[in-house]
Amino acid sequence: EAGVVQSPRYKIIEKKQPVAFWCNPISGHNTLYWYRQNLGQGPELLIRYENEEAVDDSQLPKDRFSAERLKGVDSTLKIQPAELGDSAVYLCASSLRQLAKNIQYFGAGTRLSVL
Amino acid sequence: DQQVKQNSPSLSVQEGRISILNCDYTNSMFDYFLWYKKYPAEGPTFLISISSIKDKNEDGRFTVFLNKSAKHLSLHIVPSQPGDSAVYFCAALRQMNYGGSQGNLIFGKGTKLSVKP
Repeated sequence: EAGVVQSPRYKIIEKKQPVAFWCNPISGHNTLYWYRQNLGQGPELLIRYENEEAVDDSQLPKDRFSAERLKGVDSTLKIQPAELGDSAVYLCASSLRQLAKNIQYFGAGTRLSVL
Repeated sequence: DQQVKQNSPSLSVQEGRISILNCDYTNSMFDYFLWYKKYPAEGPTFLISISSIKDKNEDGRFTVFLNKSAKHLSLHIVPSQPGDSAVYFCAALRQMNYGGSQGNLIFGKGTKLSVKP
């Protein structure tokens, strides 16, 4: 079974440019997450989707970040315009919602460098 | 304010010995805890978890211990192998109310484990 697929793996852009990341979750997983991981830190949640609905976007900087999950499968995360402080690894994860546990499966991430 | 703390940025252990990674949390409402392992240039992978109704969970060489009164958990790896060298993240979750922010994982900063042959 394929895991969570993210693209691109690396992205280098100049500040003020737009950038987009794509995520394909594990087939059948209805919950999708976007995290940002800064150097030396743990992943921090940006947004969580249940199917196509964003159920928690409280940590998403909405002035420049946007996300969508059309048809409740693939998802894209966009930054416009990018700032120097946005340099980080952006991780996508998915899970099958169960009451007993919440094991999330992560993609390899997209490493963003803003120059 | 960090709710999940891993106070040791790194740990070095000899192959065959025990590795003990520690994690402290501040939110007494957390009721499920997970450990993830991360290799360079890869995403975190789930390793082992424990519910707050238990104090120990074992899976092969990996055992997680939970001390609720101390708000402390630890991951024991016995025996340690060079392939265990990675960054280990502790994460906590409040499951009781899945909606809103209470259903999200809170990660620590990670501990880099090096197992020397």
